[in-house]
Amino acid sequence: NAGVIQTPRHKVTGKGQEATLWCEPISGHSAVFWYRQTIVQGLEFLTYFRNQAPIDDSGMPKERFSAQMPNQSHSTLKIQSTQPQDSAVYLCASSLDYWGGAKDTQYFGPGTRLLVL
Amino acid sequence: GDSVTQMQGQVTLSEDDFLFINCTYSTTWYPTLFWYVQYPGEGPQLLLKVTTANNKGISRGFEATYDKRTTSFHLQKASVQESDSAVYYCVLGDGGMGYKLTFGTGTSLLVDP
Repeated sequence: NAGVIQTPRHKVTGKGQEATLWCEPISGHSAVFWYRQTIVQGLEFLTYFRNQAPIDDSGMPKERFSAQMPNQSHSTLKIQSTQPQDSAVYLCASSLDYWGGAKDTQYFGPGTRLLVL
Repeated sequence: GDSVTQMQGQVTLSEDDFLFINCTYSTTWYPTLFWYVQYPGEGPQLLLKVTTANNKGISRGFEATYDKRTTSFHLQKASVQESDSAVYYCVLGDGGMGYKLTFGTGTSLLVDP
């Protein structure tokens, strides 16, 4: 079991450029989560997919951020027109989640460190 | 909404010292509480999970218990080692749907050899 895989591990973009971050969840896990980690805000929930369907994006900034899960083996987080304040570690997690309040363990990837210059 | 408060931002101990980290939580649901640990360059990993059913969790020499009356949750270890140096997060699971995690601000533990 390779765990949750995130690529790239580091990404540097110029202000105004687009950044796409990739996540491969653990095989068999039906829930995928994205979090953002900064020194100031700590770890914040961004969005959640279950069986590829978007369930809750209440943590996503309303502009420039979008997430997709086109198949069960990967999810992407896209940031358009990146700004310096988007600099953070973006973490992906997956779990054996099922509807009805199951509180299964979320397994985190190593994160993608995004730096916007 | 749900919230978690960790007051200890940084703790420095010597090997074999006793560790105690406390946090308080607020939720309208029955809580599931976790302690996650994060090492440099890695994502958080689950250390312990405690639910209203079991009240206590034990793993790798760490013990976590929660007190519903005071809505507090703490992590302890009798004898820390240098390898325990890491950031420890108190985490609240969304009791309503069980998926959204609310992280505390983290406690950075440094254990001197």
